Amino acid sequence: RKEVEQDPGPFNVPEGATVAFNCTYSNSASQSFFWYRQDCRKEPKLLMSVYSSGNEDGRFTAQLNRASQYISLLIRDSKLSDSATYLCVVTNAGNMLTFGGGTRLMVKP
Amino acid sequence: DAGVIQSPRHEVTEMGQEVTLRCKPISGHNSLFWYRQTMMRGLELLIYFNNNVPIDDSGMPEDRFSAKMPNASFSTLKIQPSEPRDSAVYFCASSSRPDSSYGYTFGSGTRLTVV
Repeated sequence: RKEVEQDPGPFNVPEGATVAFNCTYSNSASQSFFWYRQDCRKEPKLLMSVYSSGNEDGRFTAQLNRASQYISLLIRDSKLSDSATYLCVVTNAGNMLTFGGGTRLMVKP
Repeated sequence: DAGVIQSPRHEVTEMGQEVTLRCKPISGHNSLFWYRQTMMRGLELLIYFNNNVPIDDSGMPEDRFSAKMPNASFSTLKIQPSEPRDSAVYFCASSSRPDSSYGYTFGSGTRLTVV
């Protein structure tokens, strides 16, 4: 079983739609959680950290469920510029970042 | 801040040749990481340095791969001899905290093609 699992997608949504991605992780001792965004042929960039109480940054909302070892990312009012691959990231046993395979989002006009 | 700087951006080499990838972390960042990304395997951690010392190299695929960090502002990843299956994008990342609680900043990557 992979340490971090994501649906690879692609998720094809129209502009203005709300879309949600989920991610599960296997290490119950993981302490830090993030969502990264990666554009085609570019490096991953930190989108937001994920906190136990849930957190919001503009149109983006991240949730963490430690009991179920589950992380989510909700994007409201999707923009064409949101098209990218979204990587779920958790810390592993050595406290280093372990990346999921990513979920590809395509926002259509 | 110039960010994490990697060179070269692209490298095409013949099988059997030596390849050296270079990385300059963000000034003041004490932790440096080398990742490899392929379509099949995603992002894989190869090696991690803290304060210039290799801490975990369990991700290095085999003896053909070696990494060094001679000082706080420079690291290399060397593949000798290179093989076609080494073709991938190699990312260097740095962090100000060893516990990863702030995430990592990635360089633009080196796209390696071994023919």
